[in-house]
Amino acid sequence: EVQLKESGPGLVQPSQTLSLTCTVSGFSLTDYSVHWVRQPPGKGLEWMGVMWSGGSTAYNSALKSRLSISRDTSKSQVFLKMNSLQTEDTAIYYCTREREDNVMDAWGQGASVTVSS
Amino acid sequence: NIVLTQSPASLAVILGQKATISCTASESVNKFGINLMHWYQQKPGQLPKILIYNEFSRAPGIPARFSGDEAELNFTLTIEPVEADDVATYYCQQGLTFPLTFGAGTKLELK
Repeated sequence: EVQLKESGPGLVQPSQTLSLTCTVSGFSLTDYSVHWVRQPPGKGLEWMGVMWSGGSTAYNSALKSRLSISRDTSKSQVFLKMNSLQTEDTAIYYCTREREDNVMDAWGQGASVTVSS
Repeated sequence: NIVLTQSPASLAVILGQKATISCTASESVNKFGINLMHWYQQKPGQLPKILIYNEFSRAPGIPARFSGDEAELNFTLTIEPVEADDVATYYCQQGLTFPLTFGAGTKLELK
């Protein structure tokens, strides 16, 4: 069974760095790409970036200067780090598996992150 | 960036009737003859789920009540007949260029 699970702190202070981990099972990170998508409360979906199966990355230009995605294939984990957090970064952060053609066919349950002092 | 304009923002439909959701792309999302337009369903309090990919292909387990179509950059998700379980917000997403972009969503309710 394909599963993705996000983990990380629920609360981050403004200007601090967010670190999230996506742990996957049921598939290999070297066969499938993993995307990060976020959703502010009551709002729509925003694509953040992707860790390609080959190991390279692509980022949303709106976030690129603050965002970093990496992975540890031996642990089946993908990591997201975003610095200089502001209140508008409060959102549910999802990691998703890409089927192909940037179709997200499996989603984690999401990690709720609140940016507040 | 490719902008996806969804309409309507909300839609109230009678049980058993048809719901039509539109998503207009600001430019082509075609790759080698295939429109990389995908549709997701997000029920209240739940995570998004893929419904339709590449314009009209249903994801595994998705019933035939859900269908996708396209005409001149205007993509349509049709649900017929609507069931109570279809109450959700629906998003389109283009998979052609980065950044990947989503429509703002259409909230489907029962009348």
